[in-house]
Amino acid sequence: NAGVTQTPKFRILKIGQSMTLQCTQDMNHNYMYWYRQDPGMGLKLIYYSVGAGITDKGEVPNGYNVSRSTTEDFPLRLELAAPSQTSVYFCASSYSSSGTGELFFGEGSRLTVL
Amino acid sequence: AQSVAQPEDQVNVAEGNPLTVKCTYSVSGNPYLFWYVQYPNRGLQFLLKYITGDNLVKGSYGFEAEFNKSQTSFHLKKPSALVSDSALYFCAVRTTSGTYKYIFGTGTRLKVLA
Repeated sequence: NAGVTQTPKFRILKIGQSMTLQCTQDMNHNYMYWYRQDPGMGLKLIYYSVGAGITDKGEVPNGYNVSRSTTEDFPLRLELAAPSQTSVYFCASSYSSSGTGELFFGEGSRLTVL
Repeated sequence: AQSVAQPEDQVNVAEGNPLTVKCTYSVSGNPYLFWYVQYPNRGLQFLLKYITGDNLVKGSYGFEAEFNKSQTSFHLKKPSALVSDSALYFCAVRTTSGTYKYIFGTGTRLKVLA
């Protein structure tokens, strides 16, 4: 099993450009998450999804959009990139509807906005 | 508001000595508690979790953690540290009611000195 796969691993954007971070998982997990990690700040939840067709905002959703058309895929869209979106982005998934399941993380996507 | 606190940004310990990485939480309802480890340029990896039952939980790589409800703590411990344990450690909590969100602490960098 590949687990959670994120692409690209690295990307440099200019201010105002847009892009999509891809995330796919092959574990048939219903729950998927996007986090950003900034130094000394831990992980902040951007968006999450409890199943195909269902998404909801996390702590820091501004400037981002998501969709969940299939169980496997949960892409994160950045519109009009800003320097404040320079960060490392992690996609994660979990399997438990009761909340007891741990998160499985991708390897991360490092984004720089110049 | 629900939160997780890791009061130490960095913990230094000599190889072979016991280590403790501290975590306290504030949530409504009963918590599910998790520890994750992150090695450089990698995603987070699950170490262990407390759901219910025995307050002492054993996990991967010889780590264990003790749930203390009265002190609202979930400290990570290991009897004998290895240089290879040097990494960034995150505590996370998920409540048994409400949303499907995991809340992360800011992380503690563990440095094991040879």
